[in-house]
Amino acid sequence: EVQLVQSGAEVKKPGESLKISCKGSGYSFTSYWIGWVRQVPGKGLEWMGIIYPGDSDTRYRPSFQGQVTISADKSISTAYLQWSSLKASDTAMYYCARIMSIFDYYGDSWGQGTLVTVSS
Amino acid sequence: EIVLTQSPGTLSLSPGERATLSCRASQSVSSSYLAWYQQKPGQAPRLLIYGASSRATGIPDRFSGSGSGTDFTLTISRLEPEDFAVYYCQQYGSSQTFGQGTKVEIK
Repeated sequence: EVQLVQSGAEVKKPGESLKISCKGSGYSFTSYWIGWVRQVPGKGLEWMGIIYPGDSDTRYRPSFQGQVTISADKSISTAYLQWSSLKASDTAMYYCARIMSIFDYYGDSWGQGTLVTVSS
Repeated sequence: EIVLTQSPGTLSLSPGERATLSCRASQSVSSSYLAWYQQKPGQAPRLLIYGASSRATGIPDRFSGSGSGTDFTLTISRLEPEDFAVYYCQQYGSSQTFGQGTKVEIK
């Protein structure tokens, strides 16, 4: 069974850094892309970017380029999303999802989500 | 960027009824690269349909997708109690964008 398990909820202050994780199991982690999706409370969904753990090829949605960093450690089947300096506007639920391919860019399995709250 | 507009915003129906959800694109979606997801409160989205009409693994056949070009439809033939949720369409033919969602609520 394909599973993506994300790290727990975080409460941070503006300006702090953060790295959240997404661990895959039940499939070949290096053979599929992993994407990150943001959902602001009560709002819709937005893709942020994707990574191919096999070779760490990473693509960002333009609005997120330079705002976050996506990485992966294939030795432990884990993908990451990190911020160097959080803002209040980063408060959201963040999901990771397995993506079939760069052309079939939809999430067929999803993590449970990580709630990030940024507040002074 | 392709903008997806879903309608209606809220659909109030009873169990057993048929639900028809619309997703309209601002430009043609190439190769019918359109997916549908279901999201229940406090849960992650779940893939229902990809390629406009292919059901994802484990999805009951009461869910069906259709359409091409700029007009797509998700149909739930007979609503079960567990189908009341928010539904999102997403296109992946040109960059990737989601619709704003349709809430299917119990009447």
